[in-house]
Amino acid sequence: AQSVTQLDSHVSVSEGTPVLLRCNYSSSYSPSLFWYVQHPNKGLQLLLKYTSAATLVKGINGFEAEFKKSETSFHLTKPSAHMSDAAEYFCVVSASWRDDKIIFGKGTRLHILP
Amino acid sequence: NAGVTQTPKFRVLKTGQSMTLLCAQDMNHEYMYWYRQDPGMGLRLIHYSVGEGTTAKGEVPDGYNVSRLKKQNFLLGLESAAPSQTSVYFCASRPDQQGARSNEKLFFGSGTQLSVL
Repeated sequence: AQSVTQLDSHVSVSEGTPVLLRCNYSSSYSPSLFWYVQHPNKGLQLLLKYTSAATLVKGINGFEAEFKKSETSFHLTKPSAHMSDAAEYFCVVSASWRDDKIIFGKGTRLHILP
Repeated sequence: NAGVTQTPKFRVLKTGQSMTLLCAQDMNHEYMYWYRQDPGMGLRLIHYSVGEGTTAKGEVPDGYNVSRLKKQNFLLGLESAAPSQTSVYFCASRPDQQGARSNEKLFFGSGTQLSVL
């Protein structure tokens, strides 16, 4: 079985400063990992995905995430926050083709301070 | 190209009433999922399907039933609605990868806001 833990329910950063959203996963098999973003009253959008190729994954809007197997982590980062980044972010795990469940974390609400 | 369509978009039920939410996708996707989203809980998987005629339980299946009689449709039923089922429901689909790693993104519907009084 797989699970995902987002370590912070809320994160606040000032505009122009770095963003770090933390995610730890648990999986019986080599996982696929994703980050999705949901802006207020909007649908879910894929930011990036890890599928066992490069461990550093680049996504849209300047976001990237690093897969660290030894730490079972997949933290999301961005060098410089923008006001438009204010949203809820979800870390998602899928444990390969053997288990088709796709499990979401509880989400991290990112607040951007002017 | 409509993608994933959910109907209805809004619904208010009384406790004990039943209803069916319909999810339809026109992308010929094999996999379909039903999630519920509640504040502070993220999206929780209710049921999912890996192909026509198949269904499986997710994280929170109690109180819900599903059917996948046609590949393009995935129905979510509430037999006797309870206030605890007040939530936003999302349907999602993704293509099959012929046994390979499931690295395809999910395609989401726009959601159904359900209130149970």
